[in-house]
Order: sequence, then C-alpha cells, then structure tokens
Amino acid sequence: GEDVEQSLFLSVREGDSSVINCTYTDSSSTYLYWYKQEPGAGLQLLTYIFSNMDMKQDQRLTVLLNKKDKHLSLRIADTQTGDSAIYFCAETPGGSYIPTFGRGTSLIVHP
Amino acid sequence: DGGITQSPKYLFRKEGQNVTLSCEQNLNHDAMYWYRQDPGQGLRLIYYSQIVNDFQKGDIAEGYSVSREKKESFPLTVTSAQKNPTAFYLCASSIHRGSSNQPQHFGDGTRLSIL
Repeated sequence: GEDVEQSLFLSVREGDSSVINCTYTDSSSTYLYWYKQEPGAGLQLLTYIFSNMDMKQDQRLTVLLNKKDKHLSLRIADTQTGDSAIYFCAETPGGSYIPTFGRGTSLIVHP
Repeated sequence: DGGITQSPKYLFRKEGQNVTLSCEQNLNHDAMYWYRQDPGQGLRLIYYSQIVNDFQKGDIAEGYSVSREKKESFPLTVTSAQKNPTAFYLCASSIHRGSSNQPQHFGDGTRLSIL
C-alpha cells in the first residue's frame, strides 16, 4: 500500500536554510504537496510539484523531486521564527484524488 | 473570502453522548473529507464524500457518521460508540475533476475532549 515517511523533528538556527525530507512508495504518484500547520490551526497548502518535474521554486521555498528514489524535499531559505510549524508531505496516487499524508515534521527555529 | 468554516473550535463530550461537528465550505468544491489528528500520528481519514447524498468510509470510520445533504455542508457525528474520541478533527474540501491537480483546502479544526 501507499506509505509516506518523514522525520519527526528538525531544529535550525534563524537565518539558516531548512531542508525537510520525505520518501514515498507509490511510483504512480501524480502530484506531491507540502502543507504547513501552525499550532491549533488547519493545514495550509505551501506548494506542490507535478511528478514530471524535478524542481520548483517559489520565493524562499524550493521543492526537489527525485522520482527514481521516490524522494521529495522542501528547502526553506533564510528560515525565520515564523516558519516554526509542522510540515506535511502528501502524495496523490495515480487514478485517485485522495492524498496520502506523512506524519509531519516539526520544524523548530531558534535564535 | 472563500474558505472552509469548522465549528465549534472546542467541544466537550460527556460519556454516552453523541456530538456533531460542523463543516461548511463556500469554495464550490465537490469533494469533502474528515480527518482525525492525534499527536505524532499525522492525519487519518474518517469519511469522505465526492458528491451530494453519497459518502464513503475512510480508514477509521468506526464510531463516526456523516451526512452530505448539501454541497456546502458535511457534518461529522462522533457517536458514543467511539471510545477514544479525544483528538483534533480537520475538515477539508477539494475540486473533483478527473486527475487534475486537486489540493485539499482545510478548515481550522475542532478540538474534541472528554469531560
């Protein structure tokens, strides 16, 4: 079955880059998403990448996709304290519109 | 502004009581979903609905029920059969058009606790 794996925690210093990693198992994935969840709130879509792309950049966010290794990463440049949140990776298998979510990575940004 | 509204933000349930969580969207989305979130567990799908008057069980439907009488509304009832209902509940919606990019849009959640 489908599975999406993420590490649970990441701690970085303010101003550094953060890289959050995700691996998935379904080779038929079409779209892959990154969501951000702040405390006590719902998930906010940050960015997405289609499976025929290798990279997508959106301001401070860079998404890299290695389809051969089924590895997705989210890089946040110049990380700020406001970036502290839980980040979820999600993939939509081919032929389905229901995403599979990872367990989320808690990003802690310290001064 | 279009969006998803969940209410109430906090809810308390007594033993043997059913409670209903509200979810309303004005995005004109076809599909709606309910997720349960527990610490460190990510999101688990409870129920989902692709169109009005139709819905399917997700991975953890036992002890829950839903209805979809209107496109905009997808209420979730947590029944007394759900023995461990304490969690954060998230409602989401998405366009349902073939295999196009269909990211989910989320409400701000309802936190349910046992009295």
